Amino acid sequence: QQQVKQSPQSLIVQKGGISIINCAYENTAFDYFPWYQQFPGKGPALLIAIRPDVSEKKEGRFTISFNKSAKQFSLHIMDSQPGDSATYFCAATHSGGSNYKLTFGKGTLLTVNP
Amino acid sequence: DAGVTQSPTHLIKTRGQHVTLRCSPISGHKSVSWYQQVLGQGPQFIFQYYEKEERGRGNFPDRFSARQFPNYSSELNVNALLLGDSALYLCASSLVAGRTNYGYTFGSGTRLTVV
Repeated sequence: QQQVKQSPQSLIVQKGGISIINCAYENTAFDYFPWYQQFPGKGPALLIAIRPDVSEKKEGRFTISFNKSAKQFSLHIMDSQPGDSATYFCAATHSGGSNYKLTFGKGTLLTVNP
Repeated sequence: DAGVTQSPTHLIKTRGQHVTLRCSPISGHKSVSWYQQVLGQGPQFIFQYYEKEERGRGNFPDRFSARQFPNYSSELNVNALLLGDSALYLCASSLVAGRTNYGYTFGSGTRLTVV
């Protein structure tokens, strides 16, 4: 059972455009939703994260929008740059327990054309 | 400051063999987690250790085992390797086990190929 569904699988955007990646979750116990960026040959790196008590969080060109009732959240990359080309993963976890287990989506391969 | 260090970076093994992967966490981090990332998929949780005790286990067969040492480094062991075990194995370290605001950093992984 896939607990975090991510779309699209791949995305091609022109430089300066907006990249949008969507995720939906099933487990209502999830209360922390990070996005990770992964370059080839590297491990995932935390990009931005949100908790369900806010509907939006912005850090530079990256924004997370969160819809608790729909159990959906999305990543928006404004003014996309070729250097943003990477695989993006949404994830979710239930914080405060005895362990910290991230449940990841399947990933979105973003290509930003110059 | 060194990040999470994993060794080896690449490994080729034959079906049925055993493999040991190693991870050194960020200095001061007491928790280590292991994930398996199959090509084209998101990472899947295998284990988490904190203060040498297992704190979480994912849905993996008993062929997978791990341990954490007094210096907080960790080993992931996989017995009786199958072709399907071919993946990138990621280690992540954090200060503590269960809180999200204490940092959670991944290493670059070990690419295991089973032939």
